[in-house]
Amino acid sequence: KQEVTQIPAALSVPEGENLVLNCSFTDSAIYNLQWFRQDPGKGLTSLLLIQSSQREQTSGRLNASLDKSSGRSTLYIAASQPGDSATYLCAVRGEKTSYDKVIFGPGTSLSVIP
Amino acid sequence: DADVTQTPRNRITKTGKRIMLECSQTKGHDRMYWYRQDPGLGLRLIYYSFDVKDINKGEISDGYSVSRQAQAKFSLSLESAIPNQTALYFCATSDTGQPNYGYTFGSGTRLTVV
Repeated sequence: KQEVTQIPAALSVPEGENLVLNCSFTDSAIYNLQWFRQDPGKGLTSLLLIQSSQREQTSGRLNASLDKSSGRSTLYIAASQPGDSATYLCAVRGEKTSYDKVIFGPGTSLSVIP
Repeated sequence: DADVTQTPRNRITKTGKRIMLECSQTKGHDRMYWYRQDPGLGLRLIYYSFDVKDINKGEISDGYSVSRQAQAKFSLSLESAIPNQTALYFCATSDTGQPNYGYTFGSGTRLTVV
């Protein structure tokens, strides 16, 4: 059974700092991994999606990497801003399930202090 | 207009009442999902549908039912609401024809059962 964890559960950093959020999964047979951002009480906004054959994806100040063999993905945020404050979730889609099943991590709550 | 629209945004209902949450999408995606989000438990799949004639139970379907009225519409019903169904509910879509095969989420419905 696929399990997805995210460390740390919460993170507080001063504005301008570079930071890394971690996502770990137990079954390396994945189809893709998607990073989302969620503002309090709001929906999930897709940030980056990495296919299993890819090593990383970049969008602006965000860079996501994937190491299937070790069951890890990282989301790197450069030059953090107060507007980056939100909860970040990773979601893993498995390739071996008989139906379309995506497992979400519990999220990392990020606070960027001005 | 949002790609995935959920109505209502907020709802308070009494125990035992029947309630319907609605989701519509303009993305033309074939797959639709209903998730609930609870603090500390993350996102859990309730039901999913691959097309109008296909309905499947997720991991926590007890107490819920769904209807796929059209490719663009997927509604979730609580037949007899109970307090532990108080949660944030999300509708999501995806498209098997898209090579990156990611999810698009609605803004959520906050449901409180008293």
